[in-house]
This record gives sequence, structure tokens and C-alpha cells, in this order.
Amino acid sequence: RKEVEQDPGPFNVPEGATVAFNCTYSNSASQSFFWYRQDCRKEPKLLMSVYSSGNEDGRFTAQLNRASQYISLLIRDSKLSDSATYLCVALSGGYQKVTFGTGTKLQVIP
Amino acid sequence: EAGVAQSPRYKIIEKRQSVAFWCNPISGHATLYWYQQILGQGPKLLIQFQNNGVVDDSQLPKDRFSAERLKGVDSTLKIQPAKLEDSAVYLCASSFSDEKLFFGSGTQLSVL
Repeated sequence: RKEVEQDPGPFNVPEGATVAFNCTYSNSASQSFFWYRQDCRKEPKLLMSVYSSGNEDGRFTAQLNRASQYISLLIRDSKLSDSATYLCVALSGGYQKVTFGTGTKLQVIP
Repeated sequence: EAGVAQSPRYKIIEKRQSVAFWCNPISGHATLYWYQQILGQGPKLLIQFQNNGVVDDSQLPKDRFSAERLKGVDSTLKIQPAKLEDSAVYLCASSFSDEKLFFGSGTQLSVL
């Protein structure tokens, strides 16, 4: 079983739609979680951290469910520019091992 | 502030040849990572340095891959000899202490 699992998609949604991605992690000792965004042929860039209480950044909302070991990302009012691959990341261990999921591809359609 | 620098941007080699990649992290970042990203997959950690010490190289194919960060600043990753399945983007990333990674633009390796 992979340490961090995501549905690869693609998710094809119309502009203005709300879309949600889930990510599950297998290591219950994982301490911190993040969402990264990766545009085609570009490097990953940090989108947002994920806090236990849930957090929001504009149209983006991230949540963590430790009991079920999953994190989620909700995008409201999707824009064409949101089209990208969204990578789920978990940190674990004393030296903060960083493990990426396979990514979920989002395509926002006009 | 300068970002993570990587070179070369692209490299094409034949199988069994050797190749080396270079990374210069953001100034002051103690942690440096090398990731391999195969098309359609997420980045896979090859090796993680804390200053000039290795903290995780469990997924590094040590029979052919090697990496060093001698002065705790820049780093090189070498593949010798290369195989077809090594074709991928090699990403270098660095972080300070808040767990957030900053990536370089990567080196796209094609092994023919």
C-alpha cells in the first residue's frame, strides 16, 4: 500500500463549479500535511498547509481527518487557471520525511 | 530572494552512460531533497540531506545512484550507469525549518 494515495483523475469540471479531492495516508504517525500544485512541465509549488481545525485560503479549503487518515481539498468557483495537478503531501518521522501522493489532475472547462 | 537553482535543464544520454545533476538550494536552507518524478506520477524521494549529512536514502538505488552535499550547501546527484527506466525529471528541493519545500525547475533526463 502506498504511503499517500490519491485518485489520479482527471477531474473535468466546468468553470464556476465546486470540486473536492481526497487523499489518504497510511502512516498514523504523520504529523503535518500540505497541498502542492503542479502545472504541466513545471515544478510543484506549495498551495497550502493543512491544519487539524481546517483552514481556508480564498476559494480553497483544506481539512484533515486524523481518525480516518485522510485530508481533503475543496475548490470553490473553479477558474480556468486552476487547471493543474494537485499533490497531497505528508510529513513523518523525526527528520520530517516528505512523501508525495501521485497527484490528482484537474481540468477546468470553459 | 534567489530560488533553488538546478542544472542542466535537459539531458539526453544513452543507456550505460553516466550523468550528473547539480543543485544549489536557497541560502540558509539546511534541508535538501532530491526527488525523481516519472511522467504521470508524484515525486519520489531519492535522498534527503540535513546540512551535509544524509537522513534518508532508503529509496536511492545505491548500485547506480550517488549523491553528495559536501559543504552543506550545493549538491550533486549522479547516475552511473544509466538505464532506460531512469528517464524522468529530477527535482531538487530545499527547506528551512517550517517544513515547506521550495523546488527548482528540475532536470529532464532522457535515456535512449
